[in-house]
Amino acid sequence: SQTIHQWPATLVQPVGSPLSLECTVEGTSNPNLYWYRQAAGRGLQLLFYSVGIGQISSEVPQNLSASRPQDRQFILSSKKLLLSDSGFYLCAWSFSLAGSYNEQFFGPGTRLTVL
Amino acid sequence: GQQVMQIPQYQHVQEGEDFTTYCNSSTTLSNIQWYKQRPGGHPVFLIQLVKSGEVKKQKRLTFQFGEAKKNSSLHITATQTTDVGTYFCAGRASGTYKYIFGTGTRLKVLA
Repeated sequence: SQTIHQWPATLVQPVGSPLSLECTVEGTSNPNLYWYRQAAGRGLQLLFYSVGIGQISSEVPQNLSASRPQDRQFILSSKKLLLSDSGFYLCAWSFSLAGSYNEQFFGPGTRLTVL
Repeated sequence: GQQVMQIPQYQHVQEGEDFTTYCNSSTTLSNIQWYKQRPGGHPVFLIQLVKSGEVKKQKRLTFQFGEAKKNSSLHITATQTTDVGTYFCAGRASGTYKYIFGTGTRLKVLA
């Protein structure tokens, strides 16, 4: 069976500090991978998605970046955090076959507070 | 760009009452998914609709996809306290891998 891991679960960082959040998927190959951000009490904002190693699509211009150095590893980074980067960061994966049953499976998320 | 709106934003119901949330997309969708997020948790997939006019049922939950594939609804019959959470729709336009999530409807059920 497939599992998705995210860490850390919670993170408190000062403004201007760097960020690295990691997401890994087990039990499947060549998944589509997604990073979402959810502000408190709000909906999910798609930040990045990837359909393969090294292939990243950015949805929102901001000070965040994403990388996919391995097939099942997705990393969200920032060189300098802003107060507005606070939120609940969710990684998700789906099967990659076009037109197939492709629900998204979400990780447990990382709660980031920027002070 | 594609936008997906949901109404209402919040809904408080007495246990046993029915509940409906509506999802509207600015563009025609290839398919639509529904997710439930419990307080403090992550979204969990409920169902996917693909065909125009499709209706699916899961026990007390009924999901509909509009004829024009631009809107959808989720109806819960006789709500229970376990139904508490935020319900999101997520629509995907054809030719893309990405899903745009709706703004969500937060449901509270009063016992």
